[in-house]
Amino acid sequence: TQLLEQSPQFLSIQEGENLTVYCNSSSVFSSLQWYRQEPGEGPVLLVTVVTGGEVKKLKRLTFQFGDARKDSSLHITAAQPGDTGLYLCAGRVFRGSTLGRLYFGRGTQLTVWP
Amino acid sequence: DADVTQTPRNRITKTGKRIMLECSQTKGHDRMYWYRQDPGLGLRLIYYSFDVKDINKGEISDGYSVSRQAQAKFSLSLESAIPNQTALYFCATSERDILAGGRPREQFFGPGTRLTVL
Repeated sequence: TQLLEQSPQFLSIQEGENLTVYCNSSSVFSSLQWYRQEPGEGPVLLVTVVTGGEVKKLKRLTFQFGDARKDSSLHITAAQPGDTGLYLCAGRVFRGSTLGRLYFGRGTQLTVWP
Repeated sequence: DADVTQTPRNRITKTGKRIMLECSQTKGHDRMYWYRQDPGLGLRLIYYSFDVKDINKGEISDGYSVSRQAQAKFSLSLESAIPNQTALYFCATSERDILAGGRPREQFFGPGTRLTVL
């Protein structure tokens, strides 16, 4: 069972277009992180959001945490070829003895063409 | 030099062989993790360790074992490799949380080991 559902799974766009990637769950998360992974490398953290409704901006990337802390979105404005990569959301939920481990979504593979 | 290193980077082996993947870190982090990544399935946690004497199973631990030899070293073993263990394996590290339930610390990932089991 996948705790975090990401959509779309694949996204192929032209340079300059805008896009939004979604991360949804039926569970409440105490926090959510977004990572980006490039070919041949491990994921690298982009942002952490912890408060319901929180919005964070990182240059052309805007991250939002849903009010109920069950979902998040990543919006990229004027995408560039350098934005190409696999975008992963990861949530932390406290239950039982899991001690706050991270659960990753399946990822969105973004390709931006020049 | 990389903060989190994995060896080997690539490995091809045969069904039934014992394989060990090694991870070393120079970040001084207490927490270490092993994940596997398969196309379309994202990252799945195999085992994690919050300190040298602490080992915990993740969501897909069957067929794997781990050893935390020191704070800086965390190795993953496949006792008898099978083809469906063919995947990309990542080691990661993080600091302990400042507060339980608080903002999670960043996980720092190694470059990955591509394992193929024939």
